Amino acid sequence: GQSLEQPSEVTAVEGAIVQINCTYQTSGFYGLSWYQQHDGGAPTFLSYNGLDGLEETGRFSSFLSRSDSYGYLLLQELQMKDSASYFCAVRVSKNDYKLSFGAGTTVTVRA
Amino acid sequence: EAGVAQSPRYKIIEKRQSVAFWCNPISGHATLYWYQQILGQGPKLLIQFQNNGVVDDSQLPKDRFSAERLKGVDSTLKIQPAKLEDSAVYLCASSLLTGLYFGPGTRLLVL
Repeated sequence: GQSLEQPSEVTAVEGAIVQINCTYQTSGFYGLSWYQQHDGGAPTFLSYNGLDGLEETGRFSSFLSRSDSYGYLLLQELQMKDSASYFCAVRVSKNDYKLSFGAGTTVTVRA
Repeated sequence: EAGVAQSPRYKIIEKRQSVAFWCNPISGHATLYWYQQILGQGPKLLIQFQNNGVVDDSQLPKDRFSAERLKGVDSTLKIQPAKLEDSAVYLCASSLLTGLYFGPGTRLLVL
């Protein structure tokens, strides 16, 4: 089976830094993705880690440690528009992009 | 490049009625997925197609859900008869090896 654990909620102020941790136990592992979803919207791709280490994309960074079955998403210089749900997702198939998702972390940014 | 298209965007039905959702993936994407997202949870894979063949339907409740992808392009997902617990957002996604791209979803409410 598949199991992904991430915190349910995080609240922070504008300009702060937030780290969302994700631990996983899956039958297959070919990378860790992060998706953002605003209320009423579709999940949109943020980042992908296929190998250990840090990936940086603007204000967002993602980290993976395969030996620890652990990753995190780092949101820097928080803005009000970053208020959304964030999902970690394990790519469970080598030949396609089938993803198994966590339950999501709701990030609330306050002024 | 046009994104994944879905229709309808919203649907309200009574329990025991039937409903169908339509998806048009990104042009050239051979793999198509239907996910179910219940409020407050992460997306859960229902079925995966590669061209017009089913790759994975292990989590599809086959007594009431059916899906097809004729000619390897558009896909339809049907629920018959619907139950209250089917109230959710139904997300269609398509992929190449570069990532998974979601459509806007169909929000279903079963009364």
